[in-house]
Amino acid sequence: DAKTTQPPSMDCAEGRAANLPCNHSTISGNEYVYWYRQIHSQGPQYIIHGLKNNETNEMASLIITEDRKSSTLILPHATLRDTAVYYCTLRTNTGNQFYFGTGTSLTVIP
Amino acid sequence: KAGVTQTPRYLIKTRGQQVTLSCSPISGHRSVSWYQQTPGQGLQFLFEYFSETQRNKGNFPGRFSGRQFSNSRSEMNVSTLELGDSALYLCASSLPMGVHNEQFFGPGTRLTVL
Repeated sequence: DAKTTQPPSMDCAEGRAANLPCNHSTISGNEYVYWYRQIHSQGPQYIIHGLKNNETNEMASLIITEDRKSSTLILPHATLRDTAVYYCTLRTNTGNQFYFGTGTSLTVIP
Repeated sequence: KAGVTQTPRYLIKTRGQQVTLSCSPISGHRSVSWYQQTPGQGLQFLFEYFSETQRNKGNFPGRFSGRQFSNSRSEMNVSTLELGDSALYLCASSLPMGVHNEQFFGPGTRLTVL
């Protein structure tokens, strides 16, 4: 059973904010939300993670709802290089077992 | 710091054969995880090794196995290859539990089974 569900594809205009949603309605209390992205033919790259508070780093912001059943990854100013498949995934604090699913293919349009 | 390396990058085998893939983690990383990526199933977790012990295992048949050496390098083996085993096999390394577990992925090994 999928632990996370994401829309299969999204478009975003260059320079605009890209908001990528993720549902994880069965998330457990000890599971972290992680986001990775994969650019064609490369291994996935870590973006950001969080437990229950909103997080921000140099790449993106992560908004987690209060009930933790969904989250949104925000790329504040999308560039063409942000075109990739974005994975929302969960990890428990008892091991490095990530459930990636099929992700969202984001296309940034000039 | 050198990244995660995987060898070989490309491999072609025939049904029934077996294959061994290798992964060298980032220096200091003791956890190594393996994933299978196919267009239909996405990225699926195979197993994780830590300190030479399998710590977590995904839902794959026993034909898929792995091991980790004392220097944290890891190998995975697939026996009796099937056409459906054609995939990109990714290895990821990370620090031990207790710290932020960002996984660093290698470039993958592209396996084609004919």
